[in-house]
Amino acid sequence: AQRVTQPEKLLSVFKGAPVELKCNYSYSGSPELFWYVQYSRQRLQLLLRHISRESIKGFTADLNKGETSFHLKKPFAQEEDSAMYYCALRGGFKTIFGAGTRLFVKA
Amino acid sequence: SAVISQKPSRDICQRGTSLTIQCQVDSQVTMMFWYRQQPGQSLTLIATANQGSEATYESGFVIDKFPISRPNLTFSTLTVSNMSPEDSSIYLCSVASDRGGEQYFGPGTRLTVT
Repeated sequence: AQRVTQPEKLLSVFKGAPVELKCNYSYSGSPELFWYVQYSRQRLQLLLRHISRESIKGFTADLNKGETSFHLKKPFAQEEDSAMYYCALRGGFKTIFGAGTRLFVKA
Repeated sequence: SAVISQKPSRDICQRGTSLTIQCQVDSQVTMMFWYRQQPGQSLTLIATANQGSEATYESGFVIDKFPISRPNLTFSTLTVSNMSPEDSSIYLCSVASDRGGEQYFGPGTRLTVT
């Protein structure tokens, strides 16, 4: 069965501190993993995907198949990073989402 | 990318009534989905809207409660039937990129059932 687990509902860090949002998944095949972000009063949007191995807004995420993880990291958090972050897994044609982690970056 | 609009943006409805939510995409897309996001919770996939055939529903969702239409590749509707307060939620339309697998989301329809 497909499952995405984000163990932290809320993560609060100070500006300039490193941040890591955890995501673990369960899937029998080769998944596509994504991170989506929802800023206040905006629609949900793609942040990054594991296939592209890119850095967006300073965020990176590495797929670790051994640990079935896809943690999102940023070395220096900014206040504008405060948002809701969802880890998502696409298996077949549909995508399922984790419960989400609210990141709050304090000044 | 795809630009998605939804109507209505919000509504307050009486229990026992039905509401139809419209989703319009600015380009033709193969895959279109409907999600529900209940207060404080994540997105739950309701169904995949298939063009020209019946929608594919996820476990826990049935056609009688959530009938879906997909008359063409740019438009879909979701009806929430015989509503109860438990149906109060944000309903999201989403489409998938045919190339990269990422999804684009509409602004959502905030439904309150009293």
